[in-house]
Amino acid sequence: GEDVEQSLFLSVREGDSSVINCTYTDSSSTYLYWYKQEPGAGLQLLTYIFSNMDMKQDQRLTVLLNKKDKHLSLRIADTQTGDSAIYFCAEIPYSSASKIIFGSGTRLSIRP
Amino acid sequence: GAVVSQHPSRVICKSGTSVKIECRSLDFQATTMFWYRQFPKQSLMLMATSNEGSKATYEQGVEKDKFLINHASLTLSTLTVTSAHPEDSSFYICSAAGTAKNTEAFFGQGTRLTVV
Repeated sequence: GEDVEQSLFLSVREGDSSVINCTYTDSSSTYLYWYKQEPGAGLQLLTYIFSNMDMKQDQRLTVLLNKKDKHLSLRIADTQTGDSAIYFCAEIPYSSASKIIFGSGTRLSIRP
Repeated sequence: GAVVSQHPSRVICKSGTSVKIECRSLDFQATTMFWYRQFPKQSLMLMATSNEGSKATYEQGVEKDKFLINHASLTLSTLTVTSAHPEDSSFYICSAAGTAKNTEAFFGQGTRLTVV
């Protein structure tokens, strides 16, 4: 079946790097996403990676994809208070025709 | 990126009444729209997929008579929660896609529904 798993909470010190991990089950996934959700708001697409890539970097964000282990990670460098949010990992399995499968979300909290 | 507008952002209604939530794609034609529900501290759950001009496809366990979805045009889909009850209180989010296999899903801002 299709399943995406994430840890529920992550706490980091301001200025440190945050690494949010995600595992997925469908090896046919063509696109994998990271979304950010601030309190009471909709989802904001942070970045996405094609399944034929291993890494993608965009300013403070680095996405790493290990297809063999079906593991996706999001690294946020120099974490700031504005990064406090819930981060969702998501995939579109090849078989799902645009239906996005979300992980449970990881709540990132920043401590001074 | 493309803009999807969802309205209202918050609504409080009395138990037994119906509430309509609108989802509009402002700068592209959305052939497919998705409606999600998010329970507190949980992930998004897909409720239904609607294609313009045809009936919505509901996920297992979602009551189609309770959650009416209309996708009458390429820029507008509506979700109507009929005869709302307190257990329907939730955060509802729509997303829109312009192609059959979207690389990027554009999400609305979400609607916080509270049924009292």
